Amino acid sequence: DTGVSQNPRHKITKRGQNVTFRCDPISEHNRLYWYRQTLGQGPEFLTYFQNEAQLEKSRLLSDRFSAERPKGSFSTLEIQRTEQGDSAMYLCASSLVPGQGTNEQFFGPGTRLTVL
Amino acid sequence: GNSVTQMEGPVTLSEEAFLTINCTYTATGYPSLFWYVQYPGEGLQLLLKATKADDKGSNKGFEATYRKETTSFHLEKGSVQVSDSAVYFCALSGAPEGGSEKLVFGKGTKLTVNP
Repeated sequence: DTGVSQNPRHKITKRGQNVTFRCDPISEHNRLYWYRQTLGQGPEFLTYFQNEAQLEKSRLLSDRFSAERPKGSFSTLEIQRTEQGDSAMYLCASSLVPGQGTNEQFFGPGTRLTVL
Repeated sequence: GNSVTQMEGPVTLSEEAFLTINCTYTATGYPSLFWYVQYPGEGLQLLLKATKADDKGSNKGFEATYRKETTSFHLEKGSVQVSDSAVYFCALSGAPEGGSEKLVFGKGTKLTVNP
């Protein structure tokens, strides 16, 4: 297993465009998390899935953001009508459900979004 | 809500110096505490963790002790190396049983170790 992967690694877009990011978790991990990290700050929680169910969303996740995990494997995060304030590193992490083993979250390399 | 306050950087040390990065937290209940490290150009990696009071997490020569009385989880290393240069994040997970276990991070401390 090569760990958590994210694509693309970098995305530059113009304000108002839609963008979609993909995360492939470690294959046996039930849980998948999305975080956002802006320059000079720590990551902030956006949302998480257990299998295909989205169980929690942060208030940071405006209605322009939508995340899916349709078959309980990979996940996508879409941002509609991007704004300059959306520029950030978007991180994905995966873990086992507590009780199934270590619940350590393993992070992907992130997708850096720049909105011009 | 839960929060983490971390020593502001950047921190610059000479090789073999002693390192302390302070971290304090505010949380309800009994959170788990973590230190993550981000090396240049790489993703976040778990460095060490502690899940209950007085636990000591350790890895790669780094240590941190979960102090409930002072709500702290300071990171220490007795002799840093150039390869330790990275950004270090303190984090907690304080979800109730069955909850998301989402991580709450501090702002990060950039460490540079010079030869």
